[in-house]
Amino acid sequence: DAGVTQSPTHLIKTRGQQVTLRCSPKSGHDTVSWYQQALGQGPQFIFQYYEEEERQRGNFPDRFSGHQFPNYSSELNVNALWLGDSALYLCASSPGTDNPYGYTFGSGTRLTVV
Amino acid sequence: DQQVKQNSPSLSVQEGRISILNCDYTNSMFDYFLWYKKYPAEGPTFLISISSIKDKNEDGRFTVFLNKSAKHLSLHIVPSQPGDSAVYFCAASAYNNNDMRFGAGTRLTVKP
Repeated sequence: DAGVTQSPTHLIKTRGQQVTLRCSPKSGHDTVSWYQQALGQGPQFIFQYYEEEERQRGNFPDRFSGHQFPNYSSELNVNALWLGDSALYLCASSPGTDNPYGYTFGSGTRLTVV
Repeated sequence: DQQVKQNSPSLSVQEGRISILNCDYTNSMFDYFLWYKKYPAEGPTFLISISSIKDKNEDGRFTVFLNKSAKHLSLHIVPSQPGDSAVYFCAASAYNNNDMRFGAGTRLTVKP
């Protein structure tokens, strides 16, 4: 049974560009949360998607947007990239929205902005 | 606003001894506390949790202690094994709030 799958694993972008990261949740999970982990820090909550809607959002600007598809997979889009957006982006899936114990994380996408 | 703090970036212990990882939080609204373990090139994996109505939860070699008055929790690993070497994240969330807050992590090294 595949866990959470994220693509790509690594990405290099130039300042000002736009990027799309993808996540396929674990089988049986319908909720996807996105986290940003900067170097030397813990993961920070970006937002959560359930039933194709953004259910909750952390303290991130509107440059960060997302989408969830009918098959529960999700995309994270970041516009107008800054150098400070360089980080590991983690996707976590869970069965339902109020289930922090059930989070399964993917291995992440390492984004480097130059 | 760092609401969850892990003040020790690293910890080294001998195999067979106890590992104690500490975590402090500031938000009294937190109801659930979790520990995640992360190996290089992998995502964090859930290890153990505790709710605010308890002060101890045990799972095999892992025990989490919660001191609500001090806003402090700790993870004890006994006995420590080399395979426990990883980065450990403390995390906390409030009821009905999916914005789970993480500490910066503690890198545990267990020496054979």
